[in-house]
Amino acid sequence: GEEVAQTPKHLVRGEGQKAKLYCAPIKGHSYVFWYQQVLKNEFKFLISFQNENVFDETGMPKERFSAKCLPNSPCSLEIQATKLEDSAVYFCASSLGQGAYNEQFFGPGTRLTVL
Amino acid sequence: SQQGEEDPQALSIQEGENATMNCSYKTSINNLQWYRQNSGRGLVHLILIRSNEREKHSGRLRVTLDTSKKSSSLLITASRAADTASYFCATDQRNTGGFKTIFGAGTRLFVKA
Repeated sequence: GEEVAQTPKHLVRGEGQKAKLYCAPIKGHSYVFWYQQVLKNEFKFLISFQNENVFDETGMPKERFSAKCLPNSPCSLEIQATKLEDSAVYFCASSLGQGAYNEQFFGPGTRLTVL
Repeated sequence: SQQGEEDPQALSIQEGENATMNCSYKTSINNLQWYRQNSGRGLVHLILIRSNEREKHSGRLRVTLDTSKKSSSLLITASRAADTASYFCATDQRNTGGFKTIFGAGTRLFVKA
């Protein structure tokens, strides 16, 4: 598609439950990025993919967070055993290339609320 | 601390005035980008300035980059109420095999009509 699509728009989970978020990048874009934004503050980088391969996962809290980008499927970000501090808006972005000279296009975000 | 730190944290001006936001960073960069976020929405790319550039213009936006001071500024001239948003600078941090983009905490701009 022409825009990055994210589903669901809102997600509410009880503490300890699993949360799964989806992202469909712009068609033809090779790179996908996930960011976490807490309370409208800075965007924390979580993970990036080059096609279906993890490109950089240095921002991921690996014990509970996992992500995939499989061929012909939306990318996903999964949080096992959610905690209150996971409440945030999770943004996905895609770009043609990576880093230096390639603009990232952002989706509208998924607001996760952990109660 | 976090790469790409903006100041001020918040700025309130009258319509028609100019708004200046600053960004500082710590490591060497290939480029610096400015993004805007309207309330509750994703980021929109505004402008990219490369490390070998000193100034760049796009419409009412003017960006400067001083690599010796590791700082950048975003100037919005003749501001409008519609410019009300949060503005973030972002830098690309080199990692083995590529880059990742680091965003700062943002400047919240409020333009009063």
